[in-house]
Amino acid sequence: DAMVIQNPRYQVTQFGKPVTLSCSQTLNHNVMYWYQQKSSQAPKLLFHYYDKDFNNEADTPDNFQSRRPNTSFCFLDIRSPGLGDAAMYLCATSREGDYEQYFGPGTRLTVT
Amino acid sequence: AQTVTQSQPEMSVQEAETVTLSCTYDTSENNYYLFWYKQPPSRQMILVIRQEAYKQQNATENRFSVNFQKAAKSFSLKISDSQLGDTAMYFCAFMKASYSGAGSYQLTFGKGTKLSVIP
Repeated sequence: DAMVIQNPRYQVTQFGKPVTLSCSQTLNHNVMYWYQQKSSQAPKLLFHYYDKDFNNEADTPDNFQSRRPNTSFCFLDIRSPGLGDAAMYLCATSREGDYEQYFGPGTRLTVT
Repeated sequence: AQTVTQSQPEMSVQEAETVTLSCTYDTSENNYYLFWYKQPPSRQMILVIRQEAYKQQNATENRFSVNFQKAAKSFSLKISDSQLGDTAMYFCAFMKASYSGAGSYQLTFGKGTKLSVIP
């Protein structure tokens, strides 16, 4: 089945130690999104890619970066994680100009 | 900017009963979409139902239906004949219908309602 896959499902990192979260998709969608979902809060869009064009939300901290080497893969890099970055990180995809987004299961990040 | 408010952090319902989840939103847009997404424990978020703001008729998908009140900016979800598999976090979400450019439409989520279906 076509799907959005996120690895790992659970990630523990140390304060200040860079970490990378991975997302892949078999849907061949050209738009990919990263959301941050903190406990008891709404998912918040960090940025998205339209093909290789990167689009950052205005209030996304500089500590968060992303890479999309090809259509299928997208990475979220957190350069120096702080305790406040502990959250569920959701990847989603959509077709260009389509309203429906397809989500992965998320990666739960713990910062110690 | 748009805001979405879900005033019920948690709800429970007996199996086979009916439950209604509330959602209100604030926007100055006239054309938009509204969605309910379901996020089961440890599984991905999936789309349950959508409503186009220009349509007066309420959307339905099998046991799921909405009550869309555009003037009141209210968008509630009714789940009939609740099943154990309906246990999940439910998110209400808003999307402007105008294309935002850069290939995408932007979703604004509420904080969610945790629904538990009790056997």
